[in-house]
Amino acid sequence: QKEVEQDPGPLSVPEGAIVSLNCTYSNSAFQYFMWYRQYSRKGPELLMYTYSSGNKEDGRFTAQVDKASQYVSLLIRDSQPSDSATYLCATPIYNQGGKLIFGQGTELSVKP
Amino acid sequence: SQTIHQWPATLVQPVGSPLSLECTVEGTSNPNLYWYRQAAGRGLQLLFYSVGIGQISSEVPQNLSASRPQDRQFILSSKKLLLSDSGFYLCAWSGGAPGANVLTFGAGSRLTVL
Repeated sequence: QKEVEQDPGPLSVPEGAIVSLNCTYSNSAFQYFMWYRQYSRKGPELLMYTYSSGNKEDGRFTAQVDKASQYVSLLIRDSQPSDSATYLCATPIYNQGGKLIFGQGTELSVKP
Repeated sequence: SQTIHQWPATLVQPVGSPLSLECTVEGTSNPNLYWYRQAAGRGLQLLFYSVGIGQISSEVPQNLSASRPQDRQFILSSKKLLLSDSGFYLCAWSGGAPGANVLTFGAGSRLTVL
């Protein structure tokens, strides 16, 4: 089992839809979780950063961590065509700085 | 503000040829530097990281090497490329705690080995 797993998609939704992107992890010691957004042929950019359990909201984006289920999700409300990208879930290896374990990413396409 | 530069953006190399990818960071000092590789349809895999000049840690055995000749310069090299070295190479930096977990990536270098 991979340490961080995501459904690779592709996921296609209409503009304005609510999108839930999901990530599961195998090591209960993981505490920090990030969501990176990667546009085609570009480097990833940090979207959300969460610690431990609970929700964190930033505009149309909400990151949720359920440590009991070892499950992380990113909710996008009122999705826009500009949200079309690959979304990568990541966590630091043994909480060691920037040494991150990434999921394989979920490709999202938002149709106008 | 901090910026990170990678070059070249794209290159096509024959099997057995050498490789040099360069990364520089501006606007910060003593950054932690990283090389990641992204194969098609896959997540990012950490190849090397560095906490200071001349200090390189390798995460996976491979045909590649890294060097940090200056504080804000990180170089990825190979003496002889293999077909399996094809991929999207990303350089990243992070600061010290509490921001050590937060990576800022460059635009990437796409390598095709033929």
